[in-house]
Amino acid sequence: EAGVAQSPRYKIIEKRQSVAFWCNPISGHATLYWYQQILGQGPKLLIQFQNNGVVDDSQLPKDRFSAERLKGVDSTLKIQPAKLEDSAVYLCASSLDPGPNNEQFFGPGTRLTVL
Amino acid sequence: GQNIDQPTEMTATEGAIVQINCTYQTSGFNGLFWYQQHAGEAPTFLSYNVLDGLEEKGRFSSFLSRSKGYSYLLLKELQMKDSASYLCAGSYGQNFVFGPGTRLSVLP
Repeated sequence: EAGVAQSPRYKIIEKRQSVAFWCNPISGHATLYWYQQILGQGPKLLIQFQNNGVVDDSQLPKDRFSAERLKGVDSTLKIQPAKLEDSAVYLCASSLDPGPNNEQFFGPGTRLTVL
Repeated sequence: GQNIDQPTEMTATEGAIVQINCTYQTSGFNGLFWYQQHAGEAPTFLSYNVLDGLEEKGRFSSFLSRSKGYSYLLLKELQMKDSASYLCAGSYGQNFVFGPGTRLSVLP
C-alpha cells in the first residue's frame, strides 16, 4: 500500500514570496490533515478535511494560509505572503475516517525555510 | 485548550528501560496516541489507548489512566535505534492535539 505522498520535500523562499505544497493521501482515506511542525515542537494542526469539506480550520492563519481539497483526494496548502516564522516542516496526514480512534498516517513532510 | 505535557528530553542507556510520561486535560478526551519520530522523518504510529490499563506491544508498552489524565510509554531493552522523539497526542472529538515531544537519546 502506497503511503502519503508530499511534494516538494524542501523549499527555500524569501519572505513575502508565495509557496504551495501538495499532498496525495492514502487511497480511500477520507480524512486529510495539514500540520505545521516548528523545530523542536510537536505538530500543530492547521486544517482537517473530511472528503472535500473542512472539518476544522480554527488554527489556520487565514490571512496568509489557504488550503483546498478539490474532488476529495489531493490537497494543496498555500502560504501567501510568507513570513520568517513560517519556517517549519509541513506534514500531511490521512486517516480512513475522522473518528477519534483512527490512526493517522503521515507523509514525509515539506521542509520550508523562509529567508 | 487541551494542553498536553511531556518532558522535553530524556537520556537512557542501551539495554535499559525508560518511561516517558504524558499528562493531558481530561475534559472531552477520547483516547491517547503515541507516535515515534526520528529526526527529519515523519511521525509513525506506536500505540493507541482508550481504556485504562497497560497495553503491551513487543518492547513497547503504553499505559493510560483516564481519571488522572496520565499516560506513559514504556520502552524495554533499549536499542540505539530507539533514539528519537516520542509524541503524545490526545484525541478530543474529531480533533487531535500533540504534545511537544520527548527527545530520547540512547547512549551506548
